[in-house]
Amino acid sequence: DAKTTQPPSMDCAEGRAANLPCNHSTISGNEYVYWYRQIHSQGPQYIIHGLKNNETNEMASLIITEDRKSSTLILPHATLRDTAVYYCIVRTDSWGKFQFGAGTQVVVTP
Amino acid sequence: GAGVSQSPSNKVTEKGKDVELRCDPISGHTALYWYRQRLGQGLEFLIYFQGNSAPDKSGLPSDRFSAERTGESVSTLTIQRTQQEDSAVYLCASSKDLPGTDTQYFGPGTRLTVL
Repeated sequence: DAKTTQPPSMDCAEGRAANLPCNHSTISGNEYVYWYRQIHSQGPQYIIHGLKNNETNEMASLIITEDRKSSTLILPHATLRDTAVYYCIVRTDSWGKFQFGAGTQVVVTP
Repeated sequence: GAGVSQSPSNKVTEKGKDVELRCDPISGHTALYWYRQRLGQGLEFLIYFQGNSAPDKSGLPSDRFSAERTGESVSTLTIQRTQQEDSAVYLCASSKDLPGTDTQYFGPGTRLTVL
């Protein structure tokens, strides 16, 4: 599976949009981009995933560049409860493990 | 509906003892995964079960670690002769056996402390 690169940390003001970048320059055509987050002392929580098209759900939006070498997770109105480590993972759509990297520690401040 | 559950939530044991950790996946999920997360670090894959296929044990760190799954339900992760470096949160996840997407849903984890 392709490796991903994320900034180690980000701060975001409550109520503002949080834009979390992820680079995956070696992604293959059949690899999906997944985003999870882990709030302190809890198990990882699924947020969203996509292949080529931009995706949106009740939690977030996922913007994937046309060349698929990078993507951005957007939390439209960050709240204090969004403080967590956010993981960007790319993998083929087949059964098996996720390879979690170090992720981005997002801190939402009042 | 009910999510993935794990027990115990916390386990403290002495070095050299054996421990068993339990995972109850979401009903109807045929795939089940175990991960380990040491303090301040990311998740490490340990093992996964998919239906009746042979499990992928490629992430087990040593032969002291083993896991079983009964059909498509409960799984137990066993660590024999525990060492201090086994201290970590052990996370279980499950997913549906559906083509096109395979989102894993995680339990709250078992925090293991080896004294």
